[in-house]
Amino acid sequence: DQQVKQNSPSLSVQEGRISILNCDYTNSMFDYFLWYKKYPAEGPTFLISISSIKDKNEDGRFTVFLNKSAKHLSLHIVPSQPGDSAVYFCAASESLIMRFGAGTRLTVKP
Amino acid sequence: GAVVSQHPSRVICKSGTSVKIECRSLDFQATTMFWYRQFPKQSLMLMATSNEGSKATYEQGVEKDKFLINHASLTLSTLTVTSAHPEDSSFYICSASWHGRETQYFGPGTRLLVL
Repeated sequence: DQQVKQNSPSLSVQEGRISILNCDYTNSMFDYFLWYKKYPAEGPTFLISISSIKDKNEDGRFTVFLNKSAKHLSLHIVPSQPGDSAVYFCAASESLIMRFGAGTRLTVKP
Repeated sequence: GAVVSQHPSRVICKSGTSVKIECRSLDFQATTMFWYRQFPKQSLMLMATSNEGSKATYEQGVEKDKFLINHASLTLSTLTVTSAHPEDSSFYICSASWHGRETQYFGPGTRLLVL
């Protein structure tokens, strides 16, 4: 069962513009949400997270928004840089058990 | 901080042999370690969760006798793929966290190819 969904397999953005990656979930028991960045043949790298009691968390160019009523979260990257090109995984956690979305491949064009 | 290593990074083996993959937390004590599997262009699928000194908890559909997990210390967990078959070929990734922390830190992964 896909409890975490990333419906856009890919996204292409111009350098300097905003990248918005979206994620939806179905399990209302998830209480912690994370975004990971992944390059081919490497493990995911933690980017940013948010607790279910918050609706926004910002860290530099990365901001995660959580809309619990819609069971939706998003990652904003601004300004986007070519080095941001990677696959981004959304993850949701319940009692420390994490479920991942299928990933969105972000390409930032110079 | 929060560095996790995996060894080997890639392994090729013959069908029927067993392969052991090590996962180490280098700069923290990992009270919980997780093993994931990723098929090409797919998401990470949790295989099992292991707490130091306890038996691993396997996800539904994961054969515990085939995928042996040991978490003998706070810095080391091992995954042994027993009697490997070509369908076991995949990318195996471990992660680790410490007590109460939601964030998991991932190793670089191990590419297994079974011929």
